[in-house]
Amino acid sequence: EDQVTQSPEALRLQEGESSSLNCSYTVSGLRGLFWYRQDPGKGPEFLFTLYSAGEEKEKERLKATLTKKESFLHITAPKPEDSATYLCAVQARSYQLIWGAGTKLIIKP
Amino acid sequence: DVKVTQSSRYLVKRTGEKVFLECVQDMDHENMFWYRQDPGLGLRLIYFSYDVKMKEKGDIPEGYSVSREKKERFSLILESASTNQTSMYLCASSLPQGQETQYFGPGTRLLVL
Repeated sequence: EDQVTQSPEALRLQEGESSSLNCSYTVSGLRGLFWYRQDPGKGPEFLFTLYSAGEEKEKERLKATLTKKESFLHITAPKPEDSATYLCAVQARSYQLIWGAGTKLIIKP
Repeated sequence: DVKVTQSSRYLVKRTGEKVFLECVQDMDHENMFWYRQDPGLGLRLIYFSYDVKMKEKGDIPEGYSVSREKKERFSLILESASTNQTSMYLCASSLPQGQETQYFGPGTRLLVL
């Protein structure tokens, strides 16, 4: 069965303390892996799409990487405004995305 | 920028009422989606549509129906609202297969009493 698991469920960091969020997946025939950011009470905001193992993408303090089994979202020197829930989703055979439950990131000033 | 709008940010309805949630996108996207999001669970797909008047069931279609009469508009209908349909409802749109990045609206938080 296709599955996406995100860890940890929640992560508290001090401002400037770098870390990584994990998205592990088991799907047959990965077509794409997506990262979104979601602020409380709002819809998810698209961040990155990764298509093949070894691919990396960056945006400001965020960097996403992809292997054959997992993706990491690295956050370098985070600021309080990076606090949000980060969602991972994968696309396999059809239109549908398979979503992880998300990682809630809290950055303390 | 892609813009997806939803008709209401918050709704309070009573059990048994018929509820309409509307979604409009302005980027001429073929695909549109309705999800619900509950604490501790990932987004769950209710229905999606890949063209006008076309629809496909997602993972949890029971108790819901949809309508897509125009390309830019996708409506979710709760025929007889129940308390277990209290949730955050998210609409998304995307280009056709091969360009599947989904863009989301702000969400509608529905409370069924």
